[in-house]
Amino acid sequence: DTEVTQTPKHLVMGMTNKKSLKCEQHMGHRAMYWYKQKAKKPPELMFVYSYEKLSINESVPSRFSPECPNSSLLNLHLHALQPEDSALYLCASSQVSGTGGNQPQHFGDGTRLSIL
Amino acid sequence: ILNVEQSPQSLHVQEGDSTNFTCSFPSSNFYALHWYRWETAKSPEALFVMTLNGDEKKKGRISATLNTKEGYSYLYIKGSQPEDSATYLCASRGNTGFQKLVFGTGTRLLVSP
Repeated sequence: DTEVTQTPKHLVMGMTNKKSLKCEQHMGHRAMYWYKQKAKKPPELMFVYSYEKLSINESVPSRFSPECPNSSLLNLHLHALQPEDSALYLCASSQVSGTGGNQPQHFGDGTRLSIL
Repeated sequence: ILNVEQSPQSLHVQEGDSTNFTCSFPSSNFYALHWYRWETAKSPEALFVMTLNGDEKKKGRISATLNTKEGYSYLYIKGSQPEDSATYLCASRGNTGFQKLVFGTGTRLLVSP
């Protein structure tokens, strides 16, 4: 069983809807990540939070709005998405040690998002 | 911008065969190389994180090597089993971009009984 829990597992929404993806971990990790993965492509980093502060935004469109309300939770708020935003959205967490790149990331199972 | 490449894209072997995959990454500004195993309908699972040139790591029948000077890593599976069937992803992190990993497209392994 994964230690990073993502809900919902599947989401279908219209282009005018507002929805949120949720991610939770209780491993005491202080770095959390959102990735987007399209079919047959590698996961692409969207956002990184470190100590509940946004540290990386990979030029993601503003229709995606991340939020880290506490050290265990990470949300991704969705509004006015486009059909090309249909993808698997993965959440991950890791320890923050030094510059952090040598800590493995722990992934959730992902949310499969379909935009109608 | 990092460009991480993996080969082959897919591989089909018989149970008991040993196999290996390659991950190529830019050698300049290298910081760390990650390997993950991603089974269908599950989450990616960390196998190894490697930082030192010449490093070798082992986990059961799976091992990995790292050459940071020429920018490649090999993943080896000895005596493949059907449960090894998965996509194997490598990801590289450079000296810039705090905690930013750039993933390769993966090698999809199918092990037939």
